[in-house]
Amino acid sequence: LAKTTQPISMDSYEGQEVNITCSHNNIATNDYITWYQQFPSQGPRFIIQGYKTKVTNEVASLFIPADRKSSTLSLPRVSLSDTAVYYCLVGVMFSGGYNKLIFGAGTRLAVHP
Amino acid sequence: DAGVTQSPTHLIKTRGQQVTLRCSPKSGHDTVSWYQQALGQGPQFIFQYYEEEERQRGNFPDRFSGHQFPNYSSELNVNALLLGDSALYLCASSFNGEYQETQYFGPGTRLLVL
Repeated sequence: LAKTTQPISMDSYEGQEVNITCSHNNIATNDYITWYQQFPSQGPRFIIQGYKTKVTNEVASLFIPADRKSSTLSLPRVSLSDTAVYYCLVGVMFSGGYNKLIFGAGTRLAVHP
Repeated sequence: DAGVTQSPTHLIKTRGQQVTLRCSPKSGHDTVSWYQQALGQGPQFIFQYYEEEERQRGNFPDRFSGHQFPNYSSELNVNALLLGDSALYLCASSFNGEYQETQYFGPGTRLLVL
């Protein structure tokens, strides 16, 4: 599975938009990009997943350029409750096969009042 | 609709003991994966169960074993506990058959080995 690189930490303030960029230079053709959020002592929570271009849900947006070597998670108007660790993962998801998630260290986002 | 549940929430053991952790997958899911998360690190894949068989394993010793039951629930067993086994153990479930096999995590079991 492709290795990912993301900033170790980020700081923001309530009401701001936060963009976390993840680098995955060796992404394969069949790889999807998935982001998880994790609060202390809790399991990771699925945020969003995409393959190319832009994906949006009620929580976040995911921007993937044409070469797919990076992706950006966008959190609109963050609040204090968005303080968490955010993980970017790439991997194959296919029917009849398997997908083991390989987590990096993640990005620790701190939202300040 | 219940999500992934795990039990117990916390556990304290001593070195050399054995421990069993339990996981019930999200309704409709048939695949269970286990992860170990040490403090300050990302989760590390232990193994995955599907159709009551281990179909993939991470870089963990044989002291770590598991089982999946016909109702898709799963157990993680760790023998001869070491201090380094202290961690948050996470269970994730998914449905084998979807092209995008998203994994959903439980709250975890915090294991402390003294």
